[in-house]
Amino acid sequence: ETGVTQSPTHLIKTRGQQVTLRCSSQSGHNTVSWYQQALGQGPQFIFQYYREEENGRGNFPPRFSGLQFPNYSSELNVNALELDDSALYLCASSSPQVPTEAFFGQGTRLTVV
Amino acid sequence: AQRVTQPEKLLSVFKGAPVELKCNYSYSGSPELFWYVQYSRQRLQLLLRHISRESIKGFTADLNKGETSFHLKKPFAQEEDSAMYYCALSGSGYALNFGKGTSLLVTP
Repeated sequence: ETGVTQSPTHLIKTRGQQVTLRCSSQSGHNTVSWYQQALGQGPQFIFQYYREEENGRGNFPPRFSGLQFPNYSSELNVNALELDDSALYLCASSSPQVPTEAFFGQGTRLTVV
Repeated sequence: AQRVTQPEKLLSVFKGAPVELKCNYSYSGSPELFWYVQYSRQRLQLLLRHISRESIKGFTADLNKGETSFHLKKPFAQEEDSAMYYCALSGSGYALNFGKGTSLLVTP
């Protein structure tokens, strides 16, 4: 059984650019959630995908968007990057049997300069 | 509105001492409560959830609906318990609402 994997682990972008982060869910999990974790804060829910559809969204602007693919992997896209977007982005997958038990990836550290 | 409050940013205890990490929540319905832990250089992982009523690594947590609390307790802290602990709430069945976390340091 493979765990949740995210890529890349780190990246640096310039303000105004666009970024795509990737996540492979754990085997058998069809639900993927994305979280943003700013320094010194707990993770904050961005959105969740279930069977390739957005299933719920937190308080994030539309420039944060996502996709889920038939193999349940997922992407997080952020347009028009702002300095405040600098954070650790966490992906979590869960099974349909226990949707609230989230298995997290190691995260992608995004720095916007 | 959902809110999770962990009042202590840092908690330092001696090995063998009891430990209690506090968590208070606000939610109008019946939430699911969780404790997640992140050990150094490891990913965030589920420690326990209130509905399972388990004891994991000696930790327990009881949901007190009257006080809207879900404190995490362990009678005898170990050095390997040093980590970042997050309390989380799920009211919707999908999103987790996390507190800011408490860093537990267990010293010998």
